[in-house]
Amino acid sequence: GAGVSQSPSNKVTEKGKDVELRCDPISGHTALYWYRQSLGQGLEFLIYFQGNSAPDKSGLPSDRFSAERTGGSVSTLTIQRTQQEDSAVYLCASSLARGGTNEKLFFGSGTQLSVL
Amino acid sequence: DAKTTQPTSMDCAEGRAANLPCNHSTISGNEYVYWYRQIHSQGPQYIIHGLKNNETNEMASLIITEDRKSSTLILPHATLRDTAVYYCIVRPYNTDKLIFGTGTRLQVFP
Repeated sequence: GAGVSQSPSNKVTEKGKDVELRCDPISGHTALYWYRQSLGQGLEFLIYFQGNSAPDKSGLPSDRFSAERTGGSVSTLTIQRTQQEDSAVYLCASSLARGGTNEKLFFGSGTQLSVL
Repeated sequence: DAKTTQPTSMDCAEGRAANLPCNHSTISGNEYVYWYRQIHSQGPQYIIHGLKNNETNEMASLIITEDRKSSTLILPHATLRDTAVYYCIVRPYNTDKLIFGTGTRLQVFP
């Protein structure tokens, strides 16, 4: 597709369950980002992948959160033992490369996660 | 990391220019200023970015002061569809990630 694709668009889960959120970046984009946005709040950085480099995990809020990117393309964000405070919109973005005009981030529409 | 300060909210009449200010007094010489906006229930959208010179594209203009300590995003003829939260971001030179603040909520009214 032409844009960043995220699935599912909505996910309702019970407290304590694990969830997986998927992101398909724009083809050819080497950088991939995960953010989350709680209701009425700004975007919170979670993790960043760039090519084959080790990911920048500095924004992950706890060890229940992890992410991987297979083959430099699709990424999966996993939240284990979900808690109610994990409820938020999880946004994925991708970009071409580092610096200058290649630093535009293209965002997906997000996954709305609701933990009951 | 350079931080940015933006007003929480602003109003603008439809058809008028919307001027959104941003302070980034601790910006370093090789850090870029980026602007994104987020329309309700959508992911953020890139608007424009700059380093030192003023920039213009089909969406907006970016005016950066000579000392680079502040900038202004200008939407020359605001429409109702420009109602959104506007984020001013400074990208640290030694990282590729963009750290979003809380932004300015722009309300364009008829």
